[in-house]
Amino acid sequence: AQTVTQSQPEMSVQEAETVTLSCTYDTSENNYYLFWYKQPPSRQMILVIRQEAYKQQNATENRFSVNFQKAAKSFSLKISDSQLGDTAMYFCAFMPEYGNKLVFGAGTILRVKS
Amino acid sequence: DAGVTQSPTHLIKTRGQQVTLRCSPKSGHDTVSWYQQALGQGPQFIFQYYEEEERQRGNFPDRFSGHQFPNYSSELNVNALLLGDSALYLCASSSMYGGRETQYFGPGTRLLVL
Repeated sequence: AQTVTQSQPEMSVQEAETVTLSCTYDTSENNYYLFWYKQPPSRQMILVIRQEAYKQQNATENRFSVNFQKAAKSFSLKISDSQLGDTAMYFCAFMPEYGNKLVFGAGTILRVKS
Repeated sequence: DAGVTQSPTHLIKTRGQQVTLRCSPKSGHDTVSWYQQALGQGPQFIFQYYEEEERQRGNFPDRFSGHQFPNYSSELNVNALLLGDSALYLCASSSMYGGRETQYFGPGTRLLVL
């Protein structure tokens, strides 16, 4: 069974600074997908970024980028120029290539301070 | 472009009762997945529906059942409610052909069982 671990329950960062959220996963699959989702206090889960395991290049979406290390089974999220609106719970999630369900980590609460 | 919608927003039930939650997928999507998110935890997969059939099921008892309609909307039914069923229930939609792995979430239904 696949598992996803987020070892940082809470983090804080000053506005305009950079922060990195950690995620590790365990799987015997060779190909799969990894995701970061954001859940603000209003609770709507929003897709932040998506990575396909067979792609070497790290995904980037504006201020959000990932550091995908397949051999180490690590998938961290870097948020640059943090904004107050980035305050949320962030979930790392995994899906095997031919799977149907997302497996989520426990989440990291990120607080951006002014 | 309408996103994923869910109803109701909040619901209060008592132990032993039955509840039905509803979900309309994002326009163009044909697959609906349901997740349970307990307070402070990551979402847990309940089941997924495609072509009006349950494709995969997570580790949830038979008290949890679902249905998908020809217009792709879906219902989640929970019978004989327990206190432990109190949670945020999230619906996610995706397209089986074209980005199957990427799921978009609705705002959720908060269920409180007293």
